[in-house]
Amino acid sequence: DAGITQSPRYKITETGRQVTLMCHQTWSHSYMFWYRQDLGHGLRLIYYSAAADITDKGEVPDGYVVSRSKTENFPLTLESATRSQTSVYFCASSEGARGKLFFGSGTQLSVL
Amino acid sequence: SQQGEEDPQALSIQEGENATMNCSYKTSINNLQWYRQNSGRGLVHLILIRSNEREKHSGRLRVTLDTSKKSSSLLITASRAADTASYFCATDTLTGGGNKLTFGTGTQLKVEL
Repeated sequence: DAGITQSPRYKITETGRQVTLMCHQTWSHSYMFWYRQDLGHGLRLIYYSAAADITDKGEVPDGYVVSRSKTENFPLTLESATRSQTSVYFCASSEGARGKLFFGSGTQLSVL
Repeated sequence: SQQGEEDPQALSIQEGENATMNCSYKTSINNLQWYRQNSGRGLVHLILIRSNEREKHSGRLRVTLDTSKKSSSLLITASRAADTASYFCATDTLTGGGNKLTFGTGTQLKVEL
């Protein structure tokens, strides 16, 4: 089906491990985003990308790495997971610079 | 601190009633958007209102924007149980450099039968 898909849906890992969350969209949208959602904080932008090979930091980028070698994929890597990175992670995409976002279903990550 | 703050944090109403949620923000915006999130799901875009617009309608939704007060409201008329969800406002600020939306903490709406 067309759309934006995230995997895995749920992930449990241990502190210090590297974890990669996947995001794939079929619309060929230029912009892609990673947000984390925590109680009391709403959604906070981690990283975003305006096009393939162009990425930039958001509000809370520390401890995360992104890449965008292809327009349709935007993986998020936690290089050395910490408990404070336990959260729900959402990937989103948009066609233009100031339009609406389309969200994936999220990845619930627990770091033990 | 959050650019957008929703009020109230939680709202419980009966089916058929209207629900009003408010959003206040701090810096000048290019546009303001409202999203809905059902439990355990991703956010879904509802409506976008530009800074030069004052009111916008979409089905049972009405959004107003007052840039002088830096506030917006979302009205859901004739609510249904299926409207139960969290609602977020998101601002696209003039200094944001292109579609870096800033989300508020949301209003949890419960519509009871």
